[in-house]
Amino acid sequence: GAGVSQSPSNKVTEKGKDVELRCDPISGHTALYWYRQSLGQGLEFLIYFQGNSAPDKSGLPSDRFSAERTGGSVSTLTIQRTQQEDSAVYLCASSRTSGVLNTGELFFGEGSRLTVL
Amino acid sequence: SQQGEEDPQALSIQEGENATMNCSYKTSINNLQWYRQNSGRGLVHLILIRSNEREKHSGRLRVTLDTSKKSSSLLITASRAADTASYFCATDAVQGAQKLVFGQGTRLTINP
Repeated sequence: GAGVSQSPSNKVTEKGKDVELRCDPISGHTALYWYRQSLGQGLEFLIYFQGNSAPDKSGLPSDRFSAERTGGSVSTLTIQRTQQEDSAVYLCASSRTSGVLNTGELFFGEGSRLTVL
Repeated sequence: SQQGEEDPQALSIQEGENATMNCSYKTSINNLQWYRQNSGRGLVHLILIRSNEREKHSGRLRVTLDTSKKSSSLLITASRAADTASYFCATDAVQGAQKLVFGQGTRLTINP
């Protein structure tokens, strides 16, 4: 596709349920990022993929959060046993690079808004 | 923790005026980027400035970088109502994995 695609755009779930958020990056982009944005706040880094591997998982808030990327393309962020504090917009971004030492321009999707009741 | 901190948190000016937003960061960087976010939307890249650059222009945007002070500024000249958005700086630290760390953002309102 022309841009980064995320689904669902909105998800309302009950506390304790599992959710899966999907990100389809721009074709050919090797780097993929997940961020979380709470209402009116900045972006909180969650995880970064280079190809299918995740060199940096340091931002995942707890072991309830996991992510995978297959075929160097689509990525799925899974949140198990959701809690109310997980409510936020989850943003995915992709990039042509990262080069060895630097990160280039990120292209963002429109985000998945998660509401945990 | 956030690497970049924007200042001010909110800015409201009249259309036609210039808007200046500042960003401070803590560690040595490879580059610094500015992004814009319209309400309820994803972020859009505006400009990237490398650590060996001091100033960069793109249309009505002017970005400066002072690595000795670990700070950057974004100037939007001749503001328009359509410039109303949140603006974020993001830094790519030298140490650690390649990722962008974002600040809390400046909420800019342009009054017609």
